Amino acid sequence: GENVEQHPSTLSVQEGDSAVIKCTYSDSASNYFPWYKQELGKRPQLIIDIRSNVGEKKDQRIAVTLNKTAKHFSLHITETQPEDSAVYFCAAPKGGIYSTLTFGKGTMLLVSP
Amino acid sequence: EPEVTQTPSHQVTQMGQEVILRCVPISNHLYFYWYRQILGQKVEFLVSFYNNEISEKSEIFDDQFSVERPDGSNFTLKIRSTKLEDSAMYFCASRPGTPAKMVNNEQFFGPGTRLTVL
Repeated sequence: GENVEQHPSTLSVQEGDSAVIKCTYSDSASNYFPWYKQELGKRPQLIIDIRSNVGEKKDQRIAVTLNKTAKHFSLHITETQPEDSAVYFCAAPKGGIYSTLTFGKGTMLLVSP
Repeated sequence: EPEVTQTPSHQVTQMGQEVILRCVPISNHLYFYWYRQILGQKVEFLVSFYNNEISEKSEIFDDQFSVERPDGSNFTLKIRSTKLEDSAMYFCASRPGTPAKMVNNEQFFGPGTRLTVL
């Protein structure tokens, strides 16, 4: 099955700095990679996703990059704000875009004012 | 904006008791999921459901677990004889499906039910 590794487990930055979270996956058939943000005590919410036919996708301060050859994808947050503090999970489907998601272990991002 | 809803928000039960967790997926969605998240850990897949049957399940989803869509709106997870290690947050999620040439794979999560087994 799919194995998703996520690093780092915690990340502390100063407000305004950039944050990068990295994930690797094992199933070369995977072609859809979402990122979820989970605030304390709340549900995971999709913040950005990317499909394997593109290498990068941006949405305001958030971007995701994908390297299919190396089987890794990264979340980039620029100009971080305290409200970005949360746990971020990457995920990958087991066998293609329609399959069950396997989640990484999560990264707790702390943005200090 | 439509959301997935779950009840109850918190369920406390004694070990060995049966519990039923309830979910109402977004109304035009076709795929339904249950995940669990032990405190401080990652989200783990339990089971997926499509066209009134289980499409996939994980090794966690053993004979103690079952799912049902008893009517057109509810999607339930039953744990027959709860164990201490079943204590976790249980999330329901739903996904629209795949209309021709318009793929939307986003899974929408409910707020979760916190299950505490004593």
